[in-house]
Amino acid sequence: DSGVTQTPKHLITATGQRVTLRCSPRSGDLSVYWYQQSLDQGLQFLIQYYNGEERAKGNILERFSAQQFPDLHSELNLSSLELGDSALYFCASSVRALAPGYNEQFFGPGTRLTVL
Amino acid sequence: DAKTTQPPSMDCAEGRAANLPCNHSTISGNEYVYWYRQIHSQGPQYIIHGLKNNETNEMASLIITEDRKSSTLILPHATLRDTAVYYCIASGKNFGNEKLTFGTGTRLTIIP
Repeated sequence: DSGVTQTPKHLITATGQRVTLRCSPRSGDLSVYWYQQSLDQGLQFLIQYYNGEERAKGNILERFSAQQFPDLHSELNLSSLELGDSALYFCASSVRALAPGYNEQFFGPGTRLTVL
Repeated sequence: DAKTTQPPSMDCAEGRAANLPCNHSTISGNEYVYWYRQIHSQGPQYIIHGLKNNETNEMASLIITEDRKSSTLILPHATLRDTAVYYCIASGKNFGNEKLTFGTGTRLTIIP
């Protein structure tokens, strides 16, 4: 158990719909990351938040958005869903470590999204 | 992030050492080598990282060549629970740039 929780575990929805995935980081971790894992694209970084502010952006579609709230939990919003958005969505968290190069991210169990 | 190349799959007998190679010939001086693994469809798990010296922790050892163009992750006594996809990542880790760029990894199968 990494200490990172994600809800829901599974989500089945239809094309064109909007869904919200939720992530609670480990206690004390200020950084939250979102990754998407699909069969054809592998594990891809989407976006990072640090203490409520967007810190880095990866291959995140304009139909997707995220935010980190004052209590540090994060939500990933996916809208106008397409069949190709079916994937595992992972959230990870980390603490800002002072040791050089240390970059241990703790991943949650993921949310499996199926778009029909 | 520097590109990494790993064999797509490897087998290892249970109880033996598993040696997973990674090529990162274009790695720059400030980029670290990180290893993560993913068991089935669980979230990836951090294993170890290094810059130029060899590193060891309770899970594994990391051997980085002197020219830093390649590295090897060593699981000293592989068990069935080590069956997973192992990812080697070369990344310059700075505050605000901690994203992990995963490649295709090596699927390691531990044979009983």
